[in-house]
Amino acid sequence: DAGVIQSPRHEVTEMGQEVTLRCKPISGHDYLFWYRQTMMRGLELLIYFNNNVPIDDSGMPEDRFSAKMPNASFSTLKIQPSEPRDSAVYFCASRKQGAEQYFGPGTRLTVT
Amino acid sequence: AQSVTQLDSHVSVSEGTPVLLRCNYSSSYSPSLFWYVQHPNKGLQLLLKYTSAATLVKGINGFEAEFKKSETSFHLTKPSAHMSDAAEYFCVVHLYNNNDMRFGAGTRLTVKP
Repeated sequence: DAGVIQSPRHEVTEMGQEVTLRCKPISGHDYLFWYRQTMMRGLELLIYFNNNVPIDDSGMPEDRFSAKMPNASFSTLKIQPSEPRDSAVYFCASRKQGAEQYFGPGTRLTVT
Repeated sequence: AQSVTQLDSHVSVSEGTPVLLRCNYSSSYSPSLFWYVQHPNKGLQLLLKYTSAATLVKGINGFEAEFKKSETSFHLTKPSAHMSDAAEYFCVVHLYNNNDMRFGAGTRLTVKP
């Protein structure tokens, strides 16, 4: 298996622009997680899905952030409009029920 | 409620000396526990896991951890540090009966030559 795949690996955008981050989980995993990592706040859980359904989005910072999972093999995290404080590394992870999480390589987002 | 506390934000050791990264957890039920490692500019990689089998768990790269229920601890150890061990390490607690996985704040390991 190729592992969790994220794209793009790096994204540089200007404040106010829409940003879309993509994730392909490991086949057969029924949980998908989006995390954000910064030096100041460490690793934060933003949202997670079970069988494509959002279960807990309490970590989503504000309405500018939205996440979807239209099918078992694809998820997006969208920021609209983006702000400089959104600059971070965004990780996607997936797992089976009761098992460990597997993380993607991350997307490094820079908003100028 | 469950939580995990990594007792040291930064640990510095010399190459060839033992490594000890401390983790305490709180959980009302028997948890699953994990250690992840994150090298600079990389994603998180699973180092080892405890899931109610043997209390001494061996992981990759010579690391191991011991689950001690009486002390609610899951400390990570390695007999001899290598330069390539320099990274951030995260302790994670997971209750099987729910979907809540809690990450510790991380411990940055520095290895001096």
